[in-house]
Amino acid sequence: EAQVTQNPRYLITVTGKKLTVTCSQNMNHEYMSWYRQDPGLGLRQIYYSMNVEVTDKGDVPEGYKVSRKEKRNFPLILESPSPNQTSLYFCASSLLTSGGTNTGELFFGEGSRLTVL
Amino acid sequence: AQSVTQLDSQVPVFEEAPVELRCNYSSSVSVYLFWYVQYPNQGLQLLLKYLSGSTLVKGINGFEAEFNKSQTSFHLRKPSVHISDTAEYFCAVSRTGTASKLTFGTGTRLQVTL
Repeated sequence: EAQVTQNPRYLITVTGKKLTVTCSQNMNHEYMSWYRQDPGLGLRQIYYSMNVEVTDKGDVPEGYKVSRKEKRNFPLILESPSPNQTSLYFCASSLLTSGGTNTGELFFGEGSRLTVL
Repeated sequence: AQSVTQLDSQVPVFEEAPVELRCNYSSSVSVYLFWYVQYPNQGLQLLLKYLSGSTLVKGINGFEAEFNKSQTSFHLRKPSVHISDTAEYFCAVSRTGTASKLTFGTGTRLQVTL
């Protein structure tokens, strides 16, 4: 079954304790992206990756890191979480066209709800 | 940069009634347009998309949307809703030919009741 898998689905942590949210897709997609969803703000892009070892900032990258060492995995790293990073996080992936563009047909994971105390 | 405005944060409707969820976008260049649906405790899934061609696009579950370039709108419609359509709906836009950026609206919560 084609899917994007995120772990953990739920996490409560404390300020300053490093954490990683993993994301894995089994569809051989080049493009992967992280979003955070907050009430009244919709989804905002944190980071994205066009392919292995190619990553770039989205709209709200502060306080986050990513890596893309393998095509299927795109972990989100919070080096020193703060309460304003309490949110619902989504990983998404898609194919790129032969021209290297993304048509926006994203496949989403089920989300990771993070609470930072 | 492009942006999306979803004019209604919540839309209550009775079962079997028609519904329209409104979406307006802003962009100085050509765009692709999308509607995504998010059921409770789930990720988003693509409902329908406009890339080019016919301005009336049909999606899953009986939904359709019409691209209106002059009004920069992409409203979502369904002639008769079901309880199972209760969900949050997101309009999204990306520039044609770009590789990275899909901008989402703030979402419209559709609440269908008996």
